[in-house]
Amino acid sequence: NAGVMQNPRHLVRRRGQEARLRCSPMKGHSHVYWYRQLPEEGLKFMVYLQKENIIDESGMPKERFSAEFPKEGPSILRIQQVVRGDSAAYFCASSPEGEAFFGQGTRLTVV
Amino acid sequence: AQKITQTQPGMFVQEKEAVTLDCTYDTSDPSYGLFWYKQPSSGEMIFLIYQGSYDQQNATEGRYSLNFQKARKSANLVISASQLGDSAMYFCAMREGGMNSGYSTLTFGKGTMLLVSP
Repeated sequence: NAGVMQNPRHLVRRRGQEARLRCSPMKGHSHVYWYRQLPEEGLKFMVYLQKENIIDESGMPKERFSAEFPKEGPSILRIQQVVRGDSAAYFCASSPEGEAFFGQGTRLTVV
Repeated sequence: AQKITQTQPGMFVQEKEAVTLDCTYDTSDPSYGLFWYKQPSSGEMIFLIYQGSYDQQNATEGRYSLNFQKARKSANLVISASQLGDSAMYFCAMREGGMNSGYSTLTFGKGTMLLVSP
């Protein structure tokens, strides 16, 4: 049973480009959480999704950020028109219910 | 107010010694869980140990134990017999609501960098 898979592991984007981060949850898990870790900070919750539904997006910036978890395929975190301040590690976690298992993260660098 | 406070930005310990990493939390929810994660330089988040608010005994997992003092709202991580491979960032996190509530959003502290020297 593979763990939570995130890709890419590292992503470099120029200012103004779009970034797409993918997360495949563990088999059988229907809950996905996205967290962001700014340099020298702890992880901060962004959004919680179940299949085809956003349950809690209270941690998502109001503009440029969106997330989805379609019926088929991975969960996608999309950042439009990236700025330098978006440079961070983005972690995905999945759970059946309760305990969450983390992926290895995607490190986004905006140049 | 901070929900999770880790007051030690960095800690140094010699190999084979024990070390305690501090964590205090703030919640009015009677049902909650406390987690510790290790983040090595490679960046992944490794789950170490969990303590539920209703658990009667302190959690232990191998060399890791959690010193849970509910009245003081503290959940310190104790690592016994430190190893060089323990050098990493350590994060304390809290989930409000019971483990079976189906909702697993975690609030993290800012972390403590642990360096183990030979």
